[in-house]
Amino acid sequence: GAGVSQTPSNKVTEKGKYVELRCDPISGHTALYWYRQSLGQGPEFLIYFQGTGAADDSGLPNDRFFAVRPEGSVSTLKIQRTERGDSAVYLCASSSPGGGGYTFGSGTRLTVV
Amino acid sequence: DQQVKQNSPSLSVQEGRISILNCDYTNSMFDYFLWYKKYPAEGPTFLISISSIKDKNEDGRFTVFLNKSAKHLSLHIVPSQPGDSAVYFCAASAFSVGDKIIFGKGTRLHILP
Repeated sequence: GAGVSQTPSNKVTEKGKYVELRCDPISGHTALYWYRQSLGQGPEFLIYFQGTGAADDSGLPNDRFFAVRPEGSVSTLKIQRTERGDSAVYLCASSSPGGGGYTFGSGTRLTVV
Repeated sequence: DQQVKQNSPSLSVQEGRISILNCDYTNSMFDYFLWYKKYPAEGPTFLISISSIKDKNEDGRFTVFLNKSAKHLSLHIVPSQPGDSAVYFCAASAFSVGDKIIFGKGTRLHILP
């Protein structure tokens, strides 16, 4: 597609459940990033993929969070045993091999009740 | 520890006047600076960037100024238009080492009719 696609756009889940958030980057973009934006805050870095491998996962808050990108294109962010504090907009971005700025998707708004 | 700081949560400017958004950073390794604009329910969109080897970059109505000695940058919008009402994020990266982009908390700009 022309842009970064994220699904679902909204997700409501109960505390303790498992969720998966999907990101489909721009075709040809080798770098993929996950960010989380809480209310009143800027996007907070979670993890960065270069191809299939996680080049930097220093932003993942704890071991309940995990992300994969098995074929170097689509990525899935997985959150186990969700907590109310996980409620936020999860943003995915991709960039071309030349780097520079990212192109963001519209995000998935996750609400844990 | 906030490495990119936007100390004004909001700013109101009359249509047609100049909007000036400010940003400070603490990490001297940052060598690439960006501004993103965000509308509600959308992902941030790239606006303009500047490399640390420059002190000014202009693109139409948008100009970014960088003062490395003060670790300060600003975004000027002239003339301000109603469609400029949005949240603006300042961001920075140690691009030369392929590092991730770090965002500030954002400034909400209101353009008044």
